Amino acid sequence: GAVVSQHPSWVICKSGTSVKIECRSLDFQATTMFWYRQFPKQSLMLMATSNEGSKATYEQGVEKDKFLINHASLTLSTLTVTSAHPEDSSFYICSASPGQQGTGEQYFGPGTRLTVT
Amino acid sequence: DAKTTQPPSMDCAEGRAANLPCNHSTISGNEYVYWYRQIHSQGPQYIIHGLKNNETNEMASLIITEDRKSSTLILPHATLRDTAVYYCIVADTGTASKLTFGTGTRLQVTL
Repeated sequence: GAVVSQHPSWVICKSGTSVKIECRSLDFQATTMFWYRQFPKQSLMLMATSNEGSKATYEQGVEKDKFLINHASLTLSTLTVTSAHPEDSSFYICSASPGQQGTGEQYFGPGTRLTVT
Repeated sequence: DAKTTQPPSMDCAEGRAANLPCNHSTISGNEYVYWYRQIHSQGPQYIIHGLKNNETNEMASLIITEDRKSSTLILPHATLRDTAVYYCIVADTGTASKLTFGTGTRLQVTL
């Protein structure tokens, strides 16, 4: 099956610093990738849709200047949490879809656990 | 996207079939039914999807009612490793539609 990786798997950073999370589709090209956030004991919440070569589309309530998304190639999207604060501590998960190569199913990365101290 | 309703939790004995129901009474004609599961502290895993016909793959079977207002995911022989939260989602297909996750069903497989 299709494989999506994320790096790092976990990160601890100090308040006020920025953290970059990478999402890669390893064996397929993905024109569209998605970024989700999951707080403890809650479901996944979509943050933004990342489109290769164009600006990301953010969900209502998600600050685009705080969560910078770059989708520079068909296999890589990055999420940068800028000026992180403790309330940004969460489990960040990306997904990618083969798009026209598939039938709409998405494949998820293993997630990145961010802890802001 | 249409909203789905799932029971919050279910138990299943190992080796038995696990039948997970989902109601999606407002599903529209171009929406598929997708099932994903999330094992604790991991990213969700795609299981299966269908439009109106029943589907089967190596992981599970998906039974969709004729009126498409509900479906059932069947894990034929549940194992302890199937313990997870199972999400039923309806969404358009084709150009990678975004998925809206509900609260899902927490399946506990026991010895």
